[in-house]
Amino acid sequence: NAGVTQTPKFQVLKTGQSMTLQCAQDMNHNSMYWYRQDPGMGLRLIYYSASEGTTDKGEVPNGYNVSRLNKREFSLRLESAAPSQTSVYFCASSERGPSEQYFGPGTRLTVT
Amino acid sequence: DQQVKQNSPSLSVQEGRISILNCDYTNSMFDYFLWYKKYPAEGPTFLISISSIKDKNEDGRFTVFLNKSAKHLSLHIVPSQPGDSAVYFCAAKEGGASYGKLTFGQGTILTVHP
Repeated sequence: NAGVTQTPKFQVLKTGQSMTLQCAQDMNHNSMYWYRQDPGMGLRLIYYSASEGTTDKGEVPNGYNVSRLNKREFSLRLESAAPSQTSVYFCASSERGPSEQYFGPGTRLTVT
Repeated sequence: DQQVKQNSPSLSVQEGRISILNCDYTNSMFDYFLWYKKYPAEGPTFLISISSIKDKNEDGRFTVFLNKSAKHLSLHIVPSQPGDSAVYFCAAKEGGASYGKLTFGQGTILTVHP
């Protein structure tokens, strides 16, 4: 089992460019999440998908869109990247109810 | 409005001694708490959790204590080892949700010296 995989690992964008961060999990989890991690801020939830076919905004959704493509895959799109979106992005998945989330290795994104 | 706070950005301890990491929360609806450990260039990994119906949960060298009246939880690592050096995040989940949406603290960098 690979767990949660993310691509790419690193990306540099110019302001205004767009890109999609990919995430896939092989644990048959219902729920998936996108977080960003910034120094001194911990992990902040961008969007989540409680189950296949549903998505909801988290704490910091502005400038992002998501697609729950199927039960395995949850992508995060930046339509017009801004320097404020420079961050490390983590995807996670979990079962329903009170259970731990499993995280991918992260994508380090720099927007110049 | 930070609902989960880790007020110590860093902690340094000697190998073999106890490490105590602290976390405070403000939301009374939180009913499940977790600790995650994160090494550089890796994703966070789950360490230990506790439900609000308990006040202590132990797993090997790791023990989490929950004080609901003070809205405070702590993670004890005994004995500390150099491999425990990492960033530790506490996280909390609101009751009533069928999914596991978590709110994270800012993290505490633990350094264990040999």
